[in-house]
Amino acid sequence: EDKVVQSPLSLVVHEGDTVTLNCSYEVTNFRSLLWYKQEKKAPTFLFMLTSSGIEKKSGRLSSILDKKELFSILNITATQTGDSAVYLCAVHTNAGKSTFGDGTTLTVKP
Amino acid sequence: GAVVSQHPSWVICKSGTSVKIECRSLDFQATTMFWYRQFPKQSLMLMATSNEGSKATYEQGVEKDKFLINHASLTLSTLTVTSAHPEDSSFYICSARDPGVYTFGSGTRLTVV
Repeated sequence: EDKVVQSPLSLVVHEGDTVTLNCSYEVTNFRSLLWYKQEKKAPTFLFMLTSSGIEKKSGRLSSILDKKELFSILNITATQTGDSAVYLCAVHTNAGKSTFGDGTTLTVKP
Repeated sequence: GAVVSQHPSWVICKSGTSVKIECRSLDFQATTMFWYRQFPKQSLMLMATSNEGSKATYEQGVEKDKFLINHASLTLSTLTVTSAHPEDSSFYICSARDPGVYTFGSGTRLTVV
């Protein structure tokens, strides 16, 4: 059975801190790993990772994948209160299936 | 970028009635769409994969007769919750794949009273 585990489950930091969110997976026929940010409604896409070792960056957010050790991290530097959200990691397989982790709830305090 | 439109955003219905949720890909064709359910403070649970022109593939534990999925065109998939009960109250989200990237609809909050 495909499995995606995110850690920590919940995190509270202060503005300006840097956070690292983790996502480890065990799936058959890995295709890609995606990170999403979910605030009040549906998730919004952040990154898609398919190759090991290539960092994807968007502003203060960055992410990298390690296909050998089967994990990915999402980094957020200089956090702001607007970064407060649930961050979801999903792994998609060549069979077209997607498995989501339970998410990491990030709270950034002013 | 790809846009997926989902309607309605929220719906309240009486127990025993049916509710239809629509998911449309606005600027691309989606041969495959996915339907998820999300309970409060939990992650998304894949319910079924909707394939254009053929039967949906349901995940284990999801009742096919209760959650009817129709994918009649390349841009529209519908989920009908039949004979809804309070325990069906949840947040339902669809997504479609536009090569590689999964784009989500805005979700439907269903409350059954």
